[in-house]
Amino acid sequence: NAGVMQNPRHLVRRRGQEARLRCSPMKGHSHVYWYRQLPEEGLKFMVYLQKENIIDESGMPKERFSAEFPKEGPSILRIQQVVRGDSAAYFCASSIGIGINDEQYFGPGTRLTVT
Amino acid sequence: AQTVTQSQPEMSVQEAETVTLSCTYDTSESDYYLFWYKQPPSRQMILVIRQEAYKQQNATENRFSVNFQKAAKSFSLKISDSQLGDAAMYFCAYRGNYGGATNKLIFGTGTLLAVQP
Repeated sequence: NAGVMQNPRHLVRRRGQEARLRCSPMKGHSHVYWYRQLPEEGLKFMVYLQKENIIDESGMPKERFSAEFPKEGPSILRIQQVVRGDSAAYFCASSIGIGINDEQYFGPGTRLTVT
Repeated sequence: AQTVTQSQPEMSVQEAETVTLSCTYDTSESDYYLFWYKQPPSRQMILVIRQEAYKQQNATENRFSVNFQKAAKSFSLKISDSQLGDAAMYFCAYRGNYGGATNKLIFGTGTLLAVQP
């Protein structure tokens, strides 16, 4: 059973460009979470999605950031008009449910560098 | 709002020795869950151990154990017989019982553990 897949692993964008980060959850998992890790900091929750629905986006910046988890295909985190402060590692996690034993499994992360 | 605090940015331990990493948290909830995650240089997040707040017994996973003090809101991680492969960043995390409204984890800032041969 493949783990959580994220691609690309490394992404370089110039200021003003768009960044699209993809996350394929583990097979059978319908819950997806995105976290951001700024340099020298812990992970910060961004958004929690179930298939076709955003459940909690309380950690998402109000502008330029959006997320989706379509019925078919991976979850996408989109950052429009990137700025240097968006440089970070973005982690996706998935779970089969939201019970205590439903562990969140993390992907390897996408390291975004904005030049 | 819930917060998680790790007051030790860096720790060091000799191989085969025991080390304890500290974590405190703040919450007004009575039902919640606590976790320790390991992040090696590969940056992959790995779950080390979990604790349900309603359980008084401290969780144990092989060489890893916790000291959960609910009244003090403290959740420390003890690593026994430290090995070189234990060297990593360790994050303490909190998850509330949100009743389905969310399932987010709240992380501390991490403790970087070095293991000396």
